Amino acid sequence: RKEVEQDPGPFNVPEGATVAFNCTYSNSASQSFFWYRQDCRKEPKLLMSVYSSGNEDGRFTAQLNRASQYISLLIRDSKLSDSATYLCVVGREGNKLVFGAGTILRVKS
Amino acid sequence: NAGVTQTPKFQVLKTGQSMTLQCAQDMNHEYMSWYRQDPGMGLRLIHYSVGAGITDQGEVPNGYNVSRSTTEDFPLRLLSAAPSQTSVYFCASSYSIGMNTEAFFGQGTRLTVV
Repeated sequence: RKEVEQDPGPFNVPEGATVAFNCTYSNSASQSFFWYRQDCRKEPKLLMSVYSSGNEDGRFTAQLNRASQYISLLIRDSKLSDSATYLCVVGREGNKLVFGAGTILRVKS
Repeated sequence: NAGVTQTPKFQVLKTGQSMTLQCAQDMNHEYMSWYRQDPGMGLRLIHYSVGAGITDQGEVPNGYNVSRSTTEDFPLRLLSAAPSQTSVYFCASSYSIGMNTEAFFGQGTRLTVV
């Protein structure tokens, strides 16, 4: 079993839709949590960190449930430019990052 | 700021050849790492370094060597290339202390071993 599991998708949604991605992690010692975005044939870039209290950045909301070892990302009012692969990432001691395989989002007009 | 710079962007090797992937960062980050990305696998950690002169193995270190003689540079050496090492390689850097520190990635090196 992979340490970080994500639904690979693809999620095909129309512009303006709300879409949610889920992620589970197996190592209860994980210390930090992130969503990264990766455009086709590009490097990953940090979208947002995820905190236990939940956090929001514009149209993006991230939630963390440590008890269930579950992370989510909600995107509201999807834009064409949101099309990308979304990587769920957990951090262990020493800044080691463990990546999920990614969820593909395609937003269509 | 250049950020994290990787060279080359593309490389084709023959089985058994050796080569070095270069990585340099100008952000004075202590922590640097190398990942490989394969379809359906996500990024996997090859080697990492918490500072000059200190390196350690990640999840998939076999067939690769690293060194960290300066804070800025963290080259990855393929000792004897194999087709299984065909992948996209990313170098990353971050501050080493504190949680929720952002990792900055280079643009990647697409390596094909034939």
